[in-house]
Parts: sequence; C-alpha cells; structure tokens
Amino acid sequence: EVQLVESGGGLVKPGGSLRLSCAASGFTFDVYSMMWVRQAPGKGLECVASITRSSAFINYADSVKGRFTISRDNARNSLYLQMNSLRVEDTAVYFCARDQSPIDHWGRGTLVTVSS
Amino acid sequence: EIVMTQSPATLSVSPGESATLSCRASQSVGSDLAWYQQKPGQAPRLLVYGASTRVTAIPGRFSGSGSGTEFTLTISSLQSEDFAVYYCLQYNTWPDTFGQGTKVQIK
Repeated sequence: EVQLVESGGGLVKPGGSLRLSCAASGFTFDVYSMMWVRQAPGKGLECVASITRSSAFINYADSVKGRFTISRDNARNSLYLQMNSLRVEDTAVYFCARDQSPIDHWGRGTLVTVSS
Repeated sequence: EIVMTQSPATLSVSPGESATLSCRASQSVGSDLAWYQQKPGQAPRLLVYGASTRVTAIPGRFSGSGSGTEFTLTISSLQSEDFAVYYCLQYNTWPDTFGQGTKVQIK
C-alpha cells in the first residue's frame, strides 16, 4: 500500500523558515516524480514544487520561487521542502504527492501557519 | 499559467439524481485532465485521468469526457458518499493547475 507521511509543519513567524519532510513507503520511490501541493484554509489547491526521480528537473510555482527548495533523498525514500522567508499567505496544509502525471497518491498533509 | 475554471461553484442534487460538473481550460491541455474528489479533512482522491479514464477502484457511476479546453465529469445516481468537493487538474503544462472546485451538496 502506498503511504506518504508528512511532518515538520507548525507555527512560524513571518520571515521565518521551516523544513517539511515526507516519508514514502509501499512503492519504489526512485521511479516516481514527486510534488508538494498546498491548500490554504477553506481554499483550493496549488502545486508548489515538483521534482523528477533523479532530481534532474525541478519546478516551482511563481509564488514560492526563490524562497522554497524541493529536494529528495532516494536512499531514505524521503521528500523535503525547505521554506524560507515565509509569508502569512503561505499558511496552508502542505501535501506530499506522488506524480504519475497526474498526481495519483497524496499524504494526509501537514499544517503550516505563518503568523506573528 | 493555464487557468482552469469550474462551474457551477455549488451544485445541489438529490440522492439518486445525476450531476454534471464542467471544467474549462484557458488554453488547450489535450487530454491531460484529471478529476479529484475531496471530503472535509481529507486529501483529494483521484477519480479520472486522461480526461476519461476512470481509476480502477472508482465506481462506474463516475465518468469523464472532453478534450482540448472543455471537460465534463458526470456522476450518475448520486450516493450519499458522493457529496464532496470536486476539482479538475490540468497536468499538460507546469505549473499544473487546479480549478477552484465544485461543491456537490445534498438538495
């Protein structure tokens, strides 16, 4: 069974940093591209960053470019999102997702709250 | 980026009736269109990909159609577990973009 478990969310002040992690199991991690998707409270879904299986190609949404960094460790079956210079508008549930074009599996998400 | 527009925003349907949800892309995405169902407090669940291919575990009452810029998800004979928010997603061009969602609620 495919499992994606996010961790690392929490409360942070504007301008602060946070690192999210996603532990993957139940599938061959290094075969798949992965993605982070966020959902602000009561709002829709936004693809934030994507990374191919070997990390050769990485993409970011314009809203996070230059502030967020996606990475992966295939040996540890893990996906990461380093978030710097956080803004109030980054407040959201962040989902780790397997990208099979399209996304076919999601984690349960981790809540990031940016507030003073 | 490609803008996805869903209509209507809210659909009130009685159990047993059918529902038709629409999704329009600001430019052609070919058949690179997926539909998801999301219930409160849960992650989205993939229903349809390639515009019309239903995921194996999804009941046959869900069907997708369309190509290019116009897409439809039809849910026939709505069951109680089908009341949820539905999102379309284009994955033709990065950034992959979602519609704003259609909430299907009990009439």
